[in-house]
Amino acid sequence: TQLLEQSPQFLSIQEGENLTVYCNSSSVFSSLQWYRQEPGEGPVLLVTVVTGGEVKKLKRLTFQFGDARKDSSLHITAAQTGDTGLYLCAGAQGSNYQLIWGAGTKLIIKP
Amino acid sequence: DTAVSQTPKYLVTQMGNDKSIKCEQNLGHDTMYWYKQDSKKFLKIMFSYNNKELIINETVPNRFSPKSPDKAHLNLHINSLELGDSAVYFCASSQGNSGANVLTFGAGSRLTVL
Repeated sequence: TQLLEQSPQFLSIQEGENLTVYCNSSSVFSSLQWYRQEPGEGPVLLVTVVTGGEVKKLKRLTFQFGDARKDSSLHITAAQTGDTGLYLCAGAQGSNYQLIWGAGTKLIIKP
Repeated sequence: DTAVSQTPKYLVTQMGNDKSIKCEQNLGHDTMYWYKQDSKKFLKIMFSYNNKELIINETVPNRFSPKSPDKAHLNLHINSLELGDSAVYFCASSQGNSGANVLTFGAGSRLTVL
């Protein structure tokens, strides 16, 4: 059972377009992290969201944590080819040692 | 300076062989991890060590044996390699062993078993 569902699994759009990817769960998380992984590299942290309803911006990327802390979204404005990669969300639950990982959204931005 | 470095980056070997992957971090973190990423890109935790003590040991065949000689190193030895072991193995580290801690990953070691 996948505790964190990411959608879409795959997205290919033109440079300059906007997009939103989602990370959903029926479980509550104390915090949620977003990572981007480029081919041949390990995942790199983009942001951590902690508070329900929290919105964080990283240049053209806007991250939102749901009010109930069960879901999150990543919105990219005016996508660039450099945004291409695998976007992974990972959630923490209480005192659990482990992060719960989503399966990722593979994003391709075409020039 | 690479924060989390793992070697080798590529490993091609025959079924039945034994191989090791090494990982070192220079971030001063106290927790290190091994993850397996399959062909569908799903990241699965295998092991975690905090201050050289094993704290996460997921359902992994006992052909996989991690060793942490000190806080900065976590190696992975795999015996009797099987085709299904082909994957990218990532080492990661964090400060603290809570699930909320941010992970710093290495670049991965791609293992291909023929």
